[in-house]
Amino acid sequence: QSALTQPPSASGSPGQSVTISCTGTSSDVGGYNYVSWYQQHPGKAPKLMIYAVSKRPSGVPDRFSGSKSGNTASLTVSGLQAEDEGDYYCSSFAGSNNVKFGGGTKLTVL
Amino acid sequence: EVQLVESGGGLVQPGRSLRLSCAASGFNFDDYAMHWVRQAPGKGLEWVSGIGWNGGIITYADSVKGRFTISRDNAINSLYLQMNSLRAEDTAFYYCAKDTGGRRYYYYGLDVWGQGTTVTVSS
Repeated sequence: QSALTQPPSASGSPGQSVTISCTGTSSDVGGYNYVSWYQQHPGKAPKLMIYAVSKRPSGVPDRFSGSKSGNTASLTVSGLQAEDEGDYYCSSFAGSNNVKFGGGTKLTVL
Repeated sequence: EVQLVESGGGLVQPGRSLRLSCAASGFNFDDYAMHWVRQAPGKGLEWVSGIGWNGGIITYADSVKGRFTISRDNAINSLYLQMNSLRAEDTAFYYCAKDTGGRRYYYYGLDVWGQGTTVTVSS
């Protein structure tokens, strides 16, 4: 059960856009439209930002968007704000009712 | 208010057992799959185990298979994780989390998380 691959870090200035990638295989990301993204601030529980590749839970700003192409999913944060800084994790259903998480990406707002 | 509250964590010696509980409130517990996710100190999230809405589907990460057992009691809106043969590498913050998908789904996205409980395995 190898983890999904995310870049360890990403950054952008306020107002800019940043995209975080999440690479898996045809057995997880590429095989199912069940990719989700979580934001975690220090000392806090993760928060669901995107589910089912591109759906946004109520209350999540539309600055956050998700997409998928082949075995790679992406989270884009537009109009970066200071409060967007934190750790972001992707996750995917991986067949046989298993679940994988990515290693996490630390997003810094410069 | 939709809420999950974990309990049962603590310091335990290697090889011993611990049982985590998660009390759910504010939603129809028996309509959703539930999962345990852990986070080792300074590390990322790791899915541990999941259970379908009626317990009909149960799966585990390879790292805990054969040692951990997930269960649920829909009558009292509770989720459990029985952890046996604990190892130092099981030291982590353990979260219970609710899937957002309803009875049709096993893993659609985890929309409600508890505050977590700490498990430390050390002699």
